[in-house]
Amino acid sequence: AQTIHQWPVAEIKAVGSPLSLGCTIKGKSSPNLYWYWQATGGTLQQLFYSITVGQVESVVQLNLSASRPKDDQFILSTEKLLLSHSGFYLCAWSRDNANTEVFFGKGTRLTVV
Amino acid sequence: GDSVTQTEGLVTLTEGLPVMLNCTYQTIYSNPFLFWYVQHLNESPRLLLKSFTDNKRTEHQGFHATLHKSSSSFHLQKSSAQLSDSALYYCALSDQQVVGQLTFGRGTRLQVYA
Repeated sequence: AQTIHQWPVAEIKAVGSPLSLGCTIKGKSSPNLYWYWQATGGTLQQLFYSITVGQVESVVQLNLSASRPKDDQFILSTEKLLLSHSGFYLCAWSRDNANTEVFFGKGTRLTVV
Repeated sequence: GDSVTQTEGLVTLTEGLPVMLNCTYQTIYSNPFLFWYVQHLNESPRLLLKSFTDNKRTEHQGFHATLHKSSSSFHLQKSSAQLSDSALYYCALSDQQVVGQLTFGRGTRLQVYA
């Protein structure tokens, strides 16, 4: 069975500080990987997606970046956090064909102060 | 670009009453894939239903929805609400142009009372 693990579970960070969120998927080779963001009371917004190692596509510009250093790992980061970055970050994966189910991780709750 | 509209932000119901959550969508592509995701408190979203076929009812866990391309709708229904149905429900669209790219509606919070 496939499992998706996100870390950390929660973070409180100061404005201007760096951020790194991680995600690993086990049990599935070459998954499609995604980062989603959910502002408090807001909808789910896809930020990035990756079809293969080393390739990441940006969907929305939020002064964040993403990388896929390994087949099973997806990293979301920024060098300088903004207050507007607060929210719930969800890593997700899907199989490599279109329109299959997207499976979400448990998420990281980020509070920028 | 694509869009998904969920008109109700909050739906409150007494247990046992029928549920209907509205979802309409806009896309220029003719073969969209529609999804309903459910997110319980402090949990991540999980798939509830999905459909690609016009006018075909799809069911899961007591919920059902039918994709109607003529009206660009994919409303979620259940005949009798349960307390455990209280959650945030998202309608989502894939236009099949980019693998895994979903456009979500703003979500409808369903609150069921005893």
